[in-house]
Amino acid sequence: EDQVTQSPEALRLQEGESSSLNCSYTVSGLRGLFWYRQDPGKGPEFLFTLYSAGEEKEKERLKATLTKKESFLHITAPKPEDSATYLCAVPTWGSSNTGKLIFGQGTTLQVKP
Amino acid sequence: DAGVTQSPTHLIKTRGQQVTLRCSPISGHKSVSWYQQVLGQGPQFIFQYYEKEERGRGNFPDRFSARQFPNYSSELNVNALLLGDSALYLCASSFTGPGANVLTFGAGSRLTVL
Repeated sequence: EDQVTQSPEALRLQEGESSSLNCSYTVSGLRGLFWYRQDPGKGPEFLFTLYSAGEEKEKERLKATLTKKESFLHITAPKPEDSATYLCAVPTWGSSNTGKLIFGQGTTLQVKP
Repeated sequence: DAGVTQSPTHLIKTRGQQVTLRCSPISGHKSVSWYQQVLGQGPQFIFQYYEKEERGRGNFPDRFSARQFPNYSSELNVNALLLGDSALYLCASSFTGPGANVLTFGAGSRLTVL
């Protein structure tokens, strides 16, 4: 069964304290892994897509990496505005597009000044 | 450019009632997907529609139904509401085609069932 698990569930950091979020997945034939950011009361906002092991993508203080079994979202010198829930997701097997995504439960990040 | 718009933003219903949620996709997007997000969990897939046809359905009971209109907007209907249907209902639109495509989400409709 296709499955996505994120850890930790919650993470508290001091401003400037770097850390990593983990997303492990079990899927038959990976067709991309997506990272989204979700602020309270809002819909998820797209951050990155990774397609193959070894791929990396960066955006400001965030860098996403992918291996054959997991993905990491590295946060370097975070700021309070980085506080949000970070979701990862993979398409289900057999879909020709990403309309059907399996999401992890998310990691809620709080960055204190 | 307008993003994905959903209405209503918040609504309160009682058990047994019916609810209709509406979604307008980004201009040019022909696929609409619906997700349910219970507090503290990730979104869970309900439906995907493309060109007015259902292309996928998640593990939800028949009380949940949806449709897509010629202008690609969509409605999600839930009948005989249960307390457990309380959630944020998210609509997402995307291009379709082979390969992975990005979903763009709306802000959601927050449903509370009393």
